[in-house]
Amino acid sequence: EVQLVESGGGLVQPGRSLRLSCAASGFTFDDYAMHWVRQAPGKGLEWVSGISWNSGSIGYADSVKGRFTISRDNAKNSLYLQMNSLRAEDTALYYCAKDSGQQLVLLPDYWGQGTLVTVSS
Amino acid sequence: DIQMTQSPSSLSASVGDRVTITCQASQDISNYLNWYQQKPGKAPKLLIYDASNLETGVPSRFSGSGSGTDFTFTISSLQPEDIATYYCQQYDNLPPTFGQGTKVEIK
Repeated sequence: EVQLVESGGGLVQPGRSLRLSCAASGFTFDDYAMHWVRQAPGKGLEWVSGISWNSGSIGYADSVKGRFTISRDNAKNSLYLQMNSLRAEDTALYYCAKDSGQQLVLLPDYWGQGTLVTVSS
Repeated sequence: DIQMTQSPSSLSASVGDRVTITCQASQDISNYLNWYQQKPGKAPKLLIYDASNLETGVPSRFSGSGSGTDFTFTISSLQPEDIATYYCQQYDNLPPTFGQGTKVEIK
């Protein structure tokens, strides 16, 4: 059974940093691309970033480009999102999601339960 | 970015009713379209990929159709457990983009 467990969320002041983690199990992690997708309270889904199986292809939403960095450690079956210069509009539930392919097919087929990031002073 | 326009934003129907949701892309995306179901307080669940392919284990009352710019998602007979918000998502181009969602309620 595919399991994705996010951690690292919390309350942070504007301008500060936070690092999210996603622990994957139940599938061969290094066979698949991975994504971060967020959902602001009461709002819809917004793709944040994606990374291919070998980190060779990476993409970011314009809203986070230059501030967020996605990475993965295939030896630890883990996905990360380093978030710098956080803004109030980054407040959201952040989901880790598995892609259906090795490259950025952009088809998230399994999602974790999310970790909440709140940016507020 | 490709804009995905879903309609309606919400609907109320009776158990057993046929429910239809539409999704329009701002440009041709071929059949690179998914449909997700998100129940309250839960993560999204993939129901349909490639516009019309049912994900394994998803009940056959769910279906999808369309290609190019116009897509349809149908629940043939609404059940109480189908109460959720449904999202379309294109994956033709980076960044993948979602429709704004359709909240389905029981009348």
